[in-house]
Amino acid sequence: QVQLVESGGAVVQPGRSLRLSCAASTFTFSSHGMHWVRQAPGKGLEWVAFIWYDGSNKFYAASVKGRFTISRDNSNNTVYLQMNSLRAEDTAVYYCAREDGSGWHYFDSWGQGTLVTVSS
Amino acid sequence: QSALTQPASVSGSPGQSITISCTGTNSDVGSYDFVSWYQQHPGKAPKLLIYGDTKRPSGVSNRFSGSKSGNTASLTISGLQAEDEGYYYCCSYAGISTWVFGGGTKLTVL
Repeated sequence: QVQLVESGGAVVQPGRSLRLSCAASTFTFSSHGMHWVRQAPGKGLEWVAFIWYDGSNKFYAASVKGRFTISRDNSNNTVYLQMNSLRAEDTAVYYCAREDGSGWHYFDSWGQGTLVTVSS
Repeated sequence: QSALTQPASVSGSPGQSITISCTGTNSDVGSYDFVSWYQQHPGKAPKLLIYGDTKRPSGVSNRFSGSKSGNTASLTISGLQAEDEGYYYCCSYAGISTWVFGGGTKLTVL
């Protein structure tokens, strides 16, 4: 059973920074691309960022490009999301999700999520 | 990238079938065979139901099926059960390693 455990969520003031972590286990982490997907309170899912299995390429939604950075440490089976210049509209539960790895471009496993609240 | 369009809500009685539509554009749903569907219960993480427009992962009930025509994908749930109540999201690959979700549909089992 794939395990993904997010951490790092907190209440932060607008303009500040926060780093989320997602610890992976029970699968070969270095073989899979990884995503961050978020969900604002009472709203739908929004894809945020994707990183290739080896960290060589990174992609972002327009809403976070230039402010958020996705990275990974394959030696520690962890993916990160560095969030800078946070805004109220970044308030959401942030999920990490595993890319399927078979070329079908879907999210086959999800973590339980971590809540980020941006408020003064 | 605009969100895919889903109905806000659908409902059905136990045993009936319902269909949830997901409309995109020629840049996402209509360009790739990579629509996936997810079920989410309140306070829980999403769960994969369908990938590749029509493919069902092992372990997912065969009551769930996917289809697509042009820029519109659909999820059909047959033999509705009480535990199917929740939210359903479609998602499409949109090229250059980007993805777009639908706004979500709330399913109520009457």
